[in-house]
Amino acid sequence: EVQLVESGGGLVKPGGSLRLSCAASGFSVTTYRMNWVRQAPGQGLEWVSSMSGSRASIYYADSVKGRFTISRDGAKNSLFLQMNSLRAEDTAVYYCARDIVMNYRNPSPFDFWGQGTLVTVSS
Amino acid sequence: SSVLTQPPSVSVAPGKTANFSCGGNNIGSRSVHWYQQKAGQAPVLVIYYDRDRPSGIPERISGSGSGETATLTISRVEAGDEADYYCQVWDSTRGHWVFGGGTKLTVL
Repeated sequence: EVQLVESGGGLVKPGGSLRLSCAASGFSVTTYRMNWVRQAPGQGLEWVSSMSGSRASIYYADSVKGRFTISRDGAKNSLFLQMNSLRAEDTAVYYCARDIVMNYRNPSPFDFWGQGTLVTVSS
Repeated sequence: SSVLTQPPSVSVAPGKTANFSCGGNNIGSRSVHWYQQKAGQAPVLVIYYDRDRPSGIPERISGSGSGETATLTISRVEAGDEADYYCQVWDSTRGHWVFGGGTKLTVL
């Protein structure tokens, strides 16, 4: 059974850093593109970043480029999001999600999502 | 850049049909994917590549497209269909996923 479990959220001051983790089970993160999507309170979905299983292609939303870094650890079968220089507008529930197509060179939609972890940026 | 436009809300009586539109530049040349998000839950993929349904999604949920508008249709609407519905496309020029603003379905 495919499962994604996020952790690492919490309260952080503006300018601070946080590292989110997403533990995957039921498949290998080295064979699927993985993604981070966030949702500010009461707002819609916003894609944040994606990384192919091979790590050959990585993409970031303009709003986080240069501040956030996506990575993965095949041995731990986990995805990570290092978030630096956090701002109030980064406050959101962060979801990790898996592409539906395995080992596909192009991004595909997301068939499995975690339950999310809340990040609050406030002084 | 891609901007996907969705109406903020749709209301429909039980048993009727709900249509959700998603419009944007060049949407006719892109594959559109749709997600359902119920209150307090993670999104669920309900339609991908315009009209394909993942396993477990009922046949009364369907997708279509014409010109610059993609449409998600839910037939025989049930109370359990109340949720927010988001469309999504891949902008290959910018290397970005784009989500529409979402449409809230209210079942009367």
